[in-house]
Amino acid sequence: GENVEQHPSTLSVQEGDSAVIKCTYSDSASNYFPWYKQELGKGPQLIIDIRSNVGEKKDQRIAVTLNKTAKHFSLHITETQPEDSAVYFCAAYSGSARQLTFGSGTQLTVLP
Amino acid sequence: DSGVTQTPKHLITATGQRVTLRCSPRSGDLSVYWYQQSLDQGLQFLIHYYNGEERAKGNILERFSAQQFPDLHSELNLSSLELGDSALYFCASSGGPDSPLHFGNGTRLTVT
Repeated sequence: GENVEQHPSTLSVQEGDSAVIKCTYSDSASNYFPWYKQELGKGPQLIIDIRSNVGEKKDQRIAVTLNKTAKHFSLHITETQPEDSAVYFCAAYSGSARQLTFGSGTQLTVLP
Repeated sequence: DSGVTQTPKHLITATGQRVTLRCSPRSGDLSVYWYQQSLDQGLQFLIHYYNGEERAKGNILERFSAQQFPDLHSELNLSSLELGDSALYFCASSGGPDSPLHFGNGTRLTVT
């Protein structure tokens, strides 16, 4: 089945700096790659997603890039703010397996 | 608010007992997914239902079962509970395959 690896597991940045989280996937049939933000005591919240026919997508301070050949995708957050502090999860959807597989998460801390 | 409702929010029970977790999906969503989140395992896919039918199974234990009812709400039944079953259980819904999943705020299960 699909295997998603996520790095780093923890990331601390100064407010205003950029943060980058990277993921790799194993199933070449995966075609949908969402990113989720999870705050304490809440469920994961979708922040951005990308499909396999697109190489990059941007939404204000958040962008995601996808390299299908290398099977990796990344989340970029620019101009980080303290409220960006949370756990971020990448995920990959495999149509053959009909399931969304998550990475292990990155604890992002934005220091004021 | 994701529109996905999970009850109860907290559940404390003893080993060997059986519990039922309930999920109401977003209006119009036919798919319901169940995930388990524990500290050392991340978000683990359990099972996916689409319009009342089971579509995919992940690493769901035989002691666990789920169903989706005609009104599209879903229940996850956990029996013969063990200490290791203590975790957050999330339900998510979506409008279809490889569509965004929207998560509820979870049920925190504590087995003592």
